[in-house]
Amino acid sequence: EVQLVESGGGLVQPGGSLRLSCAGSGFTFSTYGMNWVRQAPGKGLEWVSYISSTATTMYYADSVKGRFTIFRDDAKNSLYLQMNSLRAEDTALYYCARQVFFDNDYWGQGTLVTVSS
Amino acid sequence: NFMLTQPHSVSESPGKTVTISCTRSSGSIANNYVQWYQQRPGSSPTTVIYEDNQRPSGVPDRFSGSIDGSSNSASLTISGLKTEDEADYYCQSYDSSSYVFGTGTKVTVL
Repeated sequence: EVQLVESGGGLVQPGGSLRLSCAGSGFTFSTYGMNWVRQAPGKGLEWVSYISSTATTMYYADSVKGRFTIFRDDAKNSLYLQMNSLRAEDTALYYCARQVFFDNDYWGQGTLVTVSS
Repeated sequence: NFMLTQPHSVSESPGKTVTISCTRSSGSIANNYVQWYQQRPGSSPTTVIYEDNQRPSGVPDRFSGSIDGSSNSASLTISGLKTEDEADYYCQSYDSSSYVFGTGTKVTVL
């Protein structure tokens, strides 16, 4: 069974940093591109970042470019999102999702990030 | 970058049909596949349509997707509406270096 489990969320002050993790199981992690998608409380889905299966291609939403870094460790079947210079508007539930062609076919349950003083 | 605009909400009675539109602001809707996701309250999104009109296994054939180049939009149609279809629905597409989700549509089954 495919599973994605996010962790690392929490309360952080504006300007602070946080690293999110996503542990994959039940599939060959290294052969899939992966995405981070977030959802602010009561709001819609917002794509954040993508990394290819070979980690040679990364894309970022304009809202996080230069502040967030996506990377992966296939030996640990894990995806990460390093978030720096956090702002109040980064407050959201962060999902990781597995990508098959252009579809996100499996999603985790999300980890909540709250940016507040 | 482009935007995908959806109606904020639609409502219909059980057994009826609803259609949700997703209009692309720039670039041709036909050039990049459109996916549709269902998100029930408190749950993660799940795919109901991928690659414009393909249904994942387990998704009933009451769900269908289409593309209209003349209006530069995609549509999700849910026929034979059931109470379990009440949820938020998001379209999603992409361009050369970004992915975009639609604004989302709340479907209410009266």
